[in-house]
Amino acid sequence: NAGVTQTPKFQVLKTGQSMTLQCAQDMNHNSMYWYRQDPGMGLRLIYYSASEGTTDKGEVPNGYNVSRLNKREFSLRLESAAPSQTSVYFCASRMTVETQYFGPGTRLLVL
Amino acid sequence: GQQVMQIPQYQHVQEGEDFTTYCNSSTTLSNIQWYKQRPGGHPVFLIQLVKSGEVKKQKRLTFQFGEAKKNSSLHITATQTTDVGTYFCAGPENAGRRALTFGSGTRLQVQP
Repeated sequence: NAGVTQTPKFQVLKTGQSMTLQCAQDMNHNSMYWYRQDPGMGLRLIYYSASEGTTDKGEVPNGYNVSRLNKREFSLRLESAAPSQTSVYFCASRMTVETQYFGPGTRLLVL
Repeated sequence: GQQVMQIPQYQHVQEGEDFTTYCNSSTTLSNIQWYKQRPGGHPVFLIQLVKSGEVKKQKRLTFQFGEAKKNSSLHITATQTTDVGTYFCAGPENAGRRALTFGSGTRLQVQP
């Protein structure tokens, strides 16, 4: 099993550009999450999906949209990137117990 | 809203010294989890504590959950260079979203 995979690994955007971060898990987990991690800080929840077909806002949802395409995939979209969205983005998933499994992350720089 | 705080933010130790990080929640937690993130890596689950006063050990790592289930600690005995990284505690959100609230983490640097 690959676990949680994310693409791309790195991305540089100009202010105003859009992009979609992809996340997929092969563990048959119900819940999936998107976090951002800024330097020297913990992880902050952007959006989550408790199950296929449902999504909900987390702590810092402004400027982002998500799609739970199917049970495996959960994408994060930046419609108009801003420098404040420069961060490392982690996708995570879990089944029914609390433990979350994280992907390797996407490092995003917005100029 | 719920807050999870960790201290210290950063600790630099000599290899062989002990290390402790402390985690405090503004609310009572049903459980607490600890994750480790190596430099440039992603958080990796270490352990979950559920019971009041619970103590668990993993080799040189000792995890404790407070009696009131609002605080926790991670103690590493005789640190090694492989212990380098940031240690996060996390507790379930109390907003019914089945997500975790992470502490800001403690970054550990071990000098050989």
